[in-house]
Amino acid sequence: DQQVKQNSPSLSVQEGRISILNCDYTNSMFDYFLWYKKYPAEGPTFLISISSIKDKNEDGRFTVFLNKSAKHLSLHIVPSQPGDSAVYFCAASERISKAAGNKLTFGGGTRVLVKP
Amino acid sequence: DAGVTQSPTHLIKTRGQQVTLRCSPKSGHDTVSWYQQALGQGPQFIFQYYEEEERQRGNFPDRFSGHQFPNYSSELNVNALLLGDSALYLCASSLAAYGYTFGSGTRLTVV
Repeated sequence: DQQVKQNSPSLSVQEGRISILNCDYTNSMFDYFLWYKKYPAEGPTFLISISSIKDKNEDGRFTVFLNKSAKHLSLHIVPSQPGDSAVYFCAASERISKAAGNKLTFGGGTRVLVKP
Repeated sequence: DAGVTQSPTHLIKTRGQQVTLRCSPKSGHDTVSWYQQALGQGPQFIFQYYEEEERQRGNFPDRFSGHQFPNYSSELNVNALLLGDSALYLCASSLAAYGYTFGSGTRLTVV
């Protein structure tokens, strides 16, 4: 049972245009969402996150939108650059505590190719 | 400042063998989590260690076990290896709840 889904396995976009990556989740207990970027032969690196009490978070060229009622989030990259070409993972976490820890549930990833 | 260090980077094992993967967390981090990433999929949570104890576990069989040492480093052990255990194994460390830092992983191939 996949609780976090990224339905687009790949995305191709022209340099300078907007990249929009989508992610859907089913677990209503998730209250924190993250996006990671992964290059080949490297571990995932954190990009941006959003708490369930917000519907938007922005950091430079990256903006994450959360629609709780639809259980959907998206990552916008504007403008896209060739260095953004990588695999992007959406991840979610339930409310954490010191005792419970902070397990992340990942989607399957979207491979982004930014063409010069 | 060294990040998360994993060793070895690559490993080839035969079915039925046992393997131990190692992880040194980022300086100042006290929690270590292990993830398995099969080809073409997202990472899947195996377990998390804090204060030398397993705090949370994902849906993995008992063949997967771990340990955390007093210096916060960690080991992942897999017994009776199956072909399906072939994957990238990622270690992540954290101090604050969401401050995950991932290592580059160990690529395990079971033949």
